[in-house]
Amino acid sequence: AQKVTQAQTEISVVEKEDVTLDCVYETRDTTYYLFWYKQPPSGELVFLIRRNSFDEQNEISGRYSWNFQKSTSSFNFTITASQVVDSAVYFCALNGRGDNYGQNFVFGPGTRLSVLP
Amino acid sequence: NAGVTQTPKFRILKIGQSMTLQCTQDMNHNYMYWYRQDPGMGLKLIYYSVGAGITDKGEVPNGYNVSRSTTEDFPLRLELAAPSQTSVYFCASRGSFGQPQHFGDGTRLSIL
Repeated sequence: AQKVTQAQTEISVVEKEDVTLDCVYETRDTTYYLFWYKQPPSGELVFLIRRNSFDEQNEISGRYSWNFQKSTSSFNFTITASQVVDSAVYFCALNGRGDNYGQNFVFGPGTRLSVLP
Repeated sequence: NAGVTQTPKFRILKIGQSMTLQCTQDMNHNYMYWYRQDPGMGLKLIYYSVGAGITDKGEVPNGYNVSRSTTEDFPLRLELAAPSQTSVYFCASRGSFGQPQHFGDGTRLSIL
């Protein structure tokens, strides 16, 4: 079975603070993909990043960075110098190969980030 | 590129009415999904499809039906609307294993 846990239900920070959103996953697959999505107050779901299980390099894109650690089954997302526009719900997701050619695609419950001015 | 298109964007139904939420994608994706998102909550999978002619239940299928006669279209049918079905409904599609899901803009449905 696959599972994604985002233990932080809600986080509030003041603008310019750094914030890390945690994602812990469970899977028996050796081949899998992890994703982060953003859902701003306007409601749409926006794909941010994908990482496969064989690539543990950290990724940085501007103020965003992602830390993938297989040893702890975590794929954490850090926003540096947060801005009000970062306020959103963030979802972590897992797609494992399993024995059904990768049909399983599981979302975590989401973390609501509020960045206060 | 249109991506995933959902119609309508908003709808108000009376209890007991029926309606179909439309979803179409132009990316030739095999996988398609329907989710509902209640206020302040996460995504709950209603139904999904791995290709034309093949559908399967998600975690909350009761009260809904789907069909997948073409690769492009994946309509969601509500037969007897109930207040508990008030929610935002998202359709998504993706390509092969490891590809991200692409979402439509959602349908906001209220049942009164």
